[in-house]
Amino acid sequence: SQTIHQWPATLVQPVGSPLSLECTVEGTSNPNLYWYRQAAGRGLQLLFYSVGIGQISSEVPQNLSASRPQDRQFILSSKKLLLSDSGFYLCAWSVRSRTDEKLFFGSGTQLSVL
Amino acid sequence: SQQGEEDPQALSIQEGENATMNCSYKTSINNLQWYRQNSGRGLVHLILIRSNEREKHSGRLRVTLDTSKKSSSLLITASRAADTASYFCATGGTASKLTFGTGTRLQVTL
Repeated sequence: SQTIHQWPATLVQPVGSPLSLECTVEGTSNPNLYWYRQAAGRGLQLLFYSVGIGQISSEVPQNLSASRPQDRQFILSSKKLLLSDSGFYLCAWSVRSRTDEKLFFGSGTQLSVL
Repeated sequence: SQQGEEDPQALSIQEGENATMNCSYKTSINNLQWYRQNSGRGLVHLILIRSNEREKHSGRLRVTLDTSKKSSSLLITASRAADTASYFCATGGTASKLTFGTGTRLQVTL
């Protein structure tokens, strides 16, 4: 069966420090991969998605970047964190479908930038 | 852009009662999905209903879709304390185009 791993679960970082969040998927090949951010009590905002190795689409201009160095690995990074980068970050994957894609989420990373 | 908006924002019921949440959206869709999120956790896919479907069931869940009104409802029957969570609707076709609403926070008390 497919599983998705996301770490760390919580992270407290000072302003201006770098960030690296990692997500890996097991049990499937060539998944679509996604990074979402969720502000407290809010819905999800799509940050990046990837349909293949090295292919990254950015939905929102921001202080963050994403990379997909391997088929089932998706990394969210920042060179210098801002206070506004605080939030709950979720990685997700899906099997490609023309119309009925469902998302499978990791357990999330709560990032606090102080 | 397509956007789901859930109503109510918060709902508190007693165990055994039914819980109904609504979702409205703005533009044409290929499908509508409902997800559940326990506090501090990732979202879990519950059910997908296609634009040519009007009703779908999964266990104690019943989803309806009215494309003429651009609305959907999620009914949880005989609710349990374990159903306490936030519930989100998401509209779109491909996952990269899914738009999530702000969610309904459901509290089920004993």
